Amino acid sequence: EVQLVESGGGLGQPGGSLRLSCAASGFNFSSYEMNWVRQAPGKGLEWVSYISSSGGNIYYADSVKGRFTSSRDNAKNSLYLQMNSLRVEDTAVYYCVRDAGVLLPFDYWGQGTLVIVSS
Amino acid sequence: DIQMTQSPSSLSASVGDRVTITCRASQDINNFLVWFQQKPGKAPKSLIYAASSLQGGVPSKFSVSGSGTDFTLTISSLQPEDFATYYCQQYSNYPLTFGGGTRVEIK
Repeated sequence: EVQLVESGGGLGQPGGSLRLSCAASGFNFSSYEMNWVRQAPGKGLEWVSYISSSGGNIYYADSVKGRFTSSRDNAKNSLYLQMNSLRVEDTAVYYCVRDAGVLLPFDYWGQGTLVIVSS
Repeated sequence: DIQMTQSPSSLSASVGDRVTITCRASQDINNFLVWFQQKPGKAPKSLIYAASSLQGGVPSKFSVSGSGTDFTLTISSLQPEDFATYYCQQYSNYPLTFGGGTRVEIK
């Protein structure tokens, strides 16, 4: 069974940092591209970042570029999102999402982890 | 960036109704479109990808028409489990972008 379990959310200070993790199981993690998607409370979905299966290609939304860094450790079946220079508008549930490219995009989602940025 | 516009933003319908949701892209997305269903407090669930291919386990009451820039999601006979928010998303170009969502409520 495919499972994606996010962790690391919580309360962060404006200007501070948080690191999210996503533990993958039930599939060959190193063969899949991955994404982070977020959803502010009561709002719609916003794509945050993409990372290729090898980690060699990474893309970001303009809203987080230069502040967030995606990475992965295929040996540990884990995906990470380092969030620096946090802003109040980064408050959201962050989802880790599996992506098989154009063949089967965004097919599995984690349950999400809530990040609240507040002083 | 490709803008995705969904309409309506919300609708009220009864069990058994046929419901139609529209998604328009600001440029041709080569049918690289996904539809998601999200229920309150839950992660989104992928329904349809490549504009018209059903994800495994998704009932055939969900269907999509359109191509290029204009797409329509139809639910043929609304059931209680279908009341949710629906999103479209293009995966033609980065940044990936979502429509604003359509909330389907019980009349």
